[in-house]
Amino acid sequence: GENVEQHPSTLSVQEGDSAVIKCTYSDSASNYFPWYKQELGKGPQLIIDIRSNVGEKKDQRIAVTLNKTAKHFSLHITETQPEDSAVYFCAAKGRGYKLSFGAGTTVTVRA
Amino acid sequence: NAGVTQTPKFQVLKTGQSMTLQCAQDMNHEYMSWYRQDPGMGLRLIHYSVGAGITDQGEVPNGYNVSRSTTEDFPLRLLSAAPSQTSVYFCASSYSPPGANVLTFGAGSRLTVL
Repeated sequence: GENVEQHPSTLSVQEGDSAVIKCTYSDSASNYFPWYKQELGKGPQLIIDIRSNVGEKKDQRIAVTLNKTAKHFSLHITETQPEDSAVYFCAAKGRGYKLSFGAGTTVTVRA
Repeated sequence: NAGVTQTPKFQVLKTGQSMTLQCAQDMNHEYMSWYRQDPGMGLRLIHYSVGAGITDQGEVPNGYNVSRSTTEDFPLRLLSAAPSQTSVYFCASSYSPPGANVLTFGAGSRLTVL
């Protein structure tokens, strides 16, 4: 099955700086790569996703890049704010109906 | 429109007890799934269903049973709880299998097995 690795596990950034989270996947047939944000005590919520026919996608301060050849994708958050503090998960959909998640990155934005 | 509703939010069990985690959605989603979240391990898929009457195993199905008698409900059963099943459980649903539509998560159920 699909195996998704996510780095780093924790990330502390100064408010206003950028944050980058990287993920790799194992199944070359994977074609859908969402990113979820989980705030304390809540369920994960989708923040951005990308499909295998697109190399980059941006939504305001959030962007995702995909390198199919290297089988890795990244989340970029610019101009970080305190409300960006959360746990972020990457995921990949390989063959079949399963969505496989990375282990998560705890992002802390220092004021 | 309540979205994905999970009950109970918290539960403490003794080893060997059985219980059912409830999941209901009011969005007419065909696809439903259960994940468990453990520190350092992310979200791992337990079971999923692509429609009423159809279920299949995920990555970590052992010790759990599911059924899907209606489109709205997807209960997760623990027949004989073990301490290794202490975790936070999330139910998630979408119109169709992930990739075509966004997966929406419930708020989670925290289970402790003593």
